[in-house]
Amino acid sequence: ETGVTQSPTHLIKTRGQQVTLRCSSQSGHNTVSWYQQALGQGPQFIFQYYREEENGRGNFPPRFSGLQFPNYSSELNVNALELDDSALYLCASSPGATNEQFFGPGTRLTVL
Amino acid sequence: GEDVEQSLFLSVREGDSSVINCTYTDSSSTYLYWYKQEPGAGLQLLTYIFSNMDMKQDQRLTVLLNKKDKHLSLRIADTQTGDSAIYFCAGRGTGGGNKLTFGTGTQLKVEL
Repeated sequence: ETGVTQSPTHLIKTRGQQVTLRCSSQSGHNTVSWYQQALGQGPQFIFQYYREEENGRGNFPPRFSGLQFPNYSSELNVNALELDDSALYLCASSPGATNEQFFGPGTRLTVL
Repeated sequence: GEDVEQSLFLSVREGDSSVINCTYTDSSSTYLYWYKQEPGAGLQLLTYIFSNMDMKQDQRLTVLLNKKDKHLSLRIADTQTGDSAIYFCAGRGTGGGNKLTFGTGTQLKVEL
């Protein structure tokens, strides 16, 4: 059974650019959640997708947006990057919207 | 919103027991989780406890929940050097897209 995978593993962007991060959920999982983990902090919830619909959002501005595809993989898009967006972005999948979440290895984003 | 607090650092000798503590504010948290994060990696789900339970044991791990004081602890028996990592507790509430609210993490260092 393949776990949660994310791509790319590392990314460097400059301020003002746009970025797309990708996540493949674990087999049989229909829910994907995205989290931002700044250095030395715990992960912060960005949003969750359940069966291709947004199912809750944390305290992040609209320039953070997402998609979930029919195969339940997901994308996180961030527009107009700011220096404070530098963080580890974690994707978690679960077999339902209310089940335990299994995390991928993350994408390390650096904004210069 | 939910607030979750943890002590930042814990050092133990190999073979001793480790106890990592967590306090949370949201009494509606239905599930409470413990995750482990090794350097440069994503989060590994260790165990969880439902809010109507007081204790859960899973091999070397024991979770204790005191709902009155909103206090959660994770005990690791016979701590090994491979247990060195950052440990996060997280609560899942009843709304907001099934989001997990994480503490800031406790860094466990196991010394020989």
